[in-house]
Amino acid sequence: NAGVTQTPKFRILKIGQSMTLQCAQDMNHNYMYWYRQDPGMGLKLIYYSVGAGITDKGEVPNGYNVSRSTTEDFPLRLELAAPSQTSVYFCASTARQSYEQYFGPGTRLTVT
Amino acid sequence: AQTVTQSQPEMSVQEAETVTLSCTYDTSESDYYLFWYKQPPSRQMILVIRQEAYKQQNATENRFSVNFQKAAKSFSLKISDSQLGDAAMYFCAYRASGKSTFGDGTTLTVKP
Repeated sequence: NAGVTQTPKFRILKIGQSMTLQCAQDMNHNYMYWYRQDPGMGLKLIYYSVGAGITDKGEVPNGYNVSRSTTEDFPLRLELAAPSQTSVYFCASTARQSYEQYFGPGTRLTVT
Repeated sequence: AQTVTQSQPEMSVQEAETVTLSCTYDTSESDYYLFWYKQPPSRQMILVIRQEAYKQQNATENRFSVNFQKAAKSFSLKISDSQLGDAAMYFCAYRASGKSTFGDGTTLTVKP
């Protein structure tokens, strides 16, 4: 199993550009999550999904969109990138709410 | 909204000594789960220990144990016989209803 994979690992965007952060898991997990981690801070939940076709907002959803058309994939879309979206983005998944989350390696995004 | 508070931004411990990291949370839920994660400089999130709220017994994993006080909404992590490899950022996390909330972390330094 590859676990949770994220692409790209690094990206620099110009203000106003758009991009999609890819996340995939091969563990057949129902729950998937997107977090952002600003320097020296904890993880903030952006969006989450409890199964294919079901998504919901987390703590900091503004400026982002998600979709969950399959169990495996959970892409995060940034529209009109802003400097405030400079952060490290983590995708995670879990089989059940009570279980640990498996995290991807993260994507470091810089918006200038 | 649920909140998780880690009141110690930084802690240090002498190698082989014991250190306790604090975490408090706020919730109105009765069914939830608590976690401690370790994040070394590699950024990878590593599960340290998990506690189910319905269990009165404190969880232990080798040198790591928790003091779970449900009424006080407190979930501290004790690291015994600290090792140089324990140096990292530690995050307390709460999960209920499919969503997770993380604290802002405690940076642990281990002195040889």
